[in-house]
Amino acid sequence: EADIYQTPRYLVIGTGKKITLECSQTMGHDKMYWYQQDPGMELHLIHYSYGVNSTEKGDLSSESTVSRIRTEHFPLTLESARPSHTSQYLCASSEGWTGKAKNIQYFGAGTRLSVL
Amino acid sequence: TQLLEQSPQFLSIQEGENLTVYCNSSSVFSSLQWYRQEPGEGPVLLVTVVTGGEVKKLKRLTFQFGDARKDSSLHITAAQPGDTGLYLCAGTFNDYKLSFGAGTTVTVRA
Repeated sequence: EADIYQTPRYLVIGTGKKITLECSQTMGHDKMYWYQQDPGMELHLIHYSYGVNSTEKGDLSSESTVSRIRTEHFPLTLESARPSHTSQYLCASSEGWTGKAKNIQYFGAGTRLSVL
Repeated sequence: TQLLEQSPQFLSIQEGENLTVYCNSSSVFSSLQWYRQEPGEGPVLLVTVVTGGEVKKLKRLTFQFGDARKDSSLHITAAQPGDTGLYLCAGTFNDYKLSFGAGTTVTVRA
């Protein structure tokens, strides 16, 4: 069973607010990821991290930012939320990318964000 | 980003029936994973396949990886309401990133 946690599970906020979505894992994984998922659509990678002090943008452009100060923690921040940011945000972690079984990712339960 | 196509998009069947969902790409996968996602939850890994022609079984679920490693299928025998969920395939190609298909929503009616 995966030990990766996201808070809050649900968030409804007004336009212009600053928000931080939390993600923590207790598996000691170096690699962590943020995905955005809309109903009926595939998961889109918006940020990832190789390890502490490493962050990269993913395939889908996002106005959010991330930080990785500790191995277990990978928060995502929106400085000024807009209705277009309404979506489900999923955090994941993996042990690594090498070996026969590559990049098995463990997901949190997600944060469903609604911006009014 | 590599494109993975899943079909069908939706599938609704009666309990006890069999079903198959498909995942296809124009590119060769390094490895392919199947996940199941329930409403309000994150995806949970079901299986990883890496070798062309590989077949893996997980109770009533059978996963097959195409010989050319460009396609995969998931077959469920005697489906149960507990099998209801969104089934996602995800592939790695030449790099570290997982590319996800849009998923197949399976509903098993009691």
